[in-house]
Amino acid sequence: KQEVTQIPAALSVPEGENLVLNCSFTDSAIYNLQWFRQDPGKGLTSLLLIQSSQREQTSGRLNASLDKSSGRSTLYIAASQPGDSATYLCAVRLVSAGKSTFGDGTTLTVKP
Amino acid sequence: DVKVTQSSRYLVKRTGEKVFLECVQDMDHENMFWYRQDPGLGLRLIYFSYDVKMKEKGDIPEGYSVSREKKERFSLILESASTNQTSMYLCASSSHRGPRSSYNEQFFGPGTRLTVL
Repeated sequence: KQEVTQIPAALSVPEGENLVLNCSFTDSAIYNLQWFRQDPGKGLTSLLLIQSSQREQTSGRLNASLDKSSGRSTLYIAASQPGDSATYLCAVRLVSAGKSTFGDGTTLTVKP
Repeated sequence: DVKVTQSSRYLVKRTGEKVFLECVQDMDHENMFWYRQDPGLGLRLIYFSYDVKMKEKGDIPEGYSVSREKKERFSLILESASTNQTSMYLCASSSHRGPRSSYNEQFFGPGTRLTVL
């Protein structure tokens, strides 16, 4: 059974810092990995999707990497802003499954 | 842009009522999903569907049923609501067609906060 872990559960940084969020998974036979952002009381917003054949994806100040052999993905946020404050979740889909397994998320607070 | 809409943002029902949660997507996606999200338990898959009239159980299907009569609409039904079904319900859709880079990218609706009294 795929297990997805996100550490730390919470992170607080001053505005302007570059930061890295981590996502670990136990089964390396993945189909894809997706990073989401969730604001309190809202739905999930897709940030980046990495297919199994890819090593990284970039969108603006965000860069996500994937290392299947070590069972890890990282989400890099450059020059963080207070508006980046949210919970960030990763979801891993196995090749053999039609569904994704979600981590519990990292709650990021960027202080002005 | 993909748009996934859910029929209600907030819903309050009484124990024993039959509850319908509706989800509609406008991008002709084949796949649709229902999740619930609870503090400390994360997102858990209730049911998903790969096509019209198709459904598959997720991790926690007990107490729920679904209906997919049209491709764009996926309904979650609580046959007899109970207090332990108080939760945030999230619908999502995805497609395995189109650019390979976006295969099976999930898009979520805004969520329905259901309270069962």
